[in-house]
This record gives sequence, C-alpha cells and structure tokens, in this order.
Amino acid sequence: EDKVVQSPLSLVVHEGDTVTLNCSYEVTNFRSLLWYKQEKKAPTFLFMLTSSGIEKKSGRLSSILDKKELFSILNITATQTGDSAVYLCAVESYNFNKFYFGSGTKLNVKP
Amino acid sequence: EAQVTQNPRYLITVTGKKLTVTCSQNMNHEYMSWYRQDPGLGLRQIYYSMNVEVTDKGDVPEGYKVSRKEKRNFPLILESPSPNQTSLYFCASRDRDSYGYTFGSGTRLTVV
Repeated sequence: EDKVVQSPLSLVVHEGDTVTLNCSYEVTNFRSLLWYKQEKKAPTFLFMLTSSGIEKKSGRLSSILDKKELFSILNITATQTGDSAVYLCAVESYNFNKFYFGSGTKLNVKP
Repeated sequence: EAQVTQNPRYLITVTGKKLTVTCSQNMNHEYMSWYRQDPGLGLRQIYYSMNVEVTDKGDVPEGYKVSRKEKRNFPLILESPSPNQTSLYFCASRDRDSYGYTFGSGTRLTVV
C-alpha cells in the first residue's frame, strides 16, 4: 500500500530555533515529492524534489530528498512566529499521477 | 489572477439533503482533483479528473460524485450527505506536465 509518513506530528519551538521535519514514503513509481505549508486555509507550495541529494533552498527553508532511503527532510533555520503552520509532504506517483499526502507536522513557534 | 475558486467557503446542512460544491479554475489545467482533510489523516483524494469527461476514484470516493463537462469546472456532489462527511474540502488543479497542485481556499462542510 502506498503511503507517506511524516514525523513528528507536532513540534513546539522558540523563535530562533532550527527545526527538521521528516517525511518517509513508500510509493510505487515515484515521480516527485512536494512540501506544502498550510496555515489557516489552502496549502501553499514550498518545494518540489525529484532528484536525490540536491538541496532546494528558499530563504531560511531548505529541503533534500534521498531516493535510496525513501525520505525527505525540511529544515527551517532561525524560526519565526510566522513559520507556525502545518507542513505537508506529498508524493506523486506516475501511476495515474496520483498524489499521496502525509498527515502533516504541526509546527508552533513561540516568541 | 490565476486561481482555483471554490464555493461555498462554509456550509452547514442536514443529513440527506443533496448539495454541490463548485470548483472552477482559470489556468486551463487538465488535471483537477478533490481532497478532504480531517484531523490526523492529512489530505485524502476523493476523485480526480485527467481531462473533460475523464474522471476516476481516489482513495475515499464513497458518498461522492463528480462530473467534468467543461475543462474549467469540477463540481463535487453529495447526493445524500451524512455526518461522517463533515470535513474540510479542497479542490485543486494542475497542468499535465507540471508538478504539484494549486489549491482552492477550501470549503468547510458540516453535516448535522
């Protein structure tokens, strides 16, 4: 059965901390892995990864994929209260272009 | 502005009363999909469509219907809603060769 598992489920940190969010997957015919940030409404796109070992970076956020070990991490450095959100990991399969979402990691950044 | 528009944003209804949640995208995307989001379960795909008149079941299709008569519209129909369909629903679309979906703002449905 295809699945995506995220950990931890929730995380509380203080401003300035660095956090690492994990996403492991078992998905047939892997096409891509995506990270989304969800605040109170629709998920917004952060990163898309298709190749192992190539870090994607956007400001304080970065992500990397390991296709051999079937996982990805999302790093956030110098966290701010505006980073508080649910972070979703999704894996796309070439099989009918289906997406499989993890249950998300809820990040709470305290001042 | 490129977007996916869902209506209504909030809906409270009673068990058994048929309802339709509309979804429209203005990006000429071929792929559209409906998801429901429940606490601890993430987003689960209800139905998806790869083009006009081409639809297929996702992971949780029971109790739902869809249609894709035009490229831009992909309504979600609940013929006889039940309380277990209380959830947050998202419509999403993407181009065939692109990665990742663009999501609508969501519809929070409560069935009492």
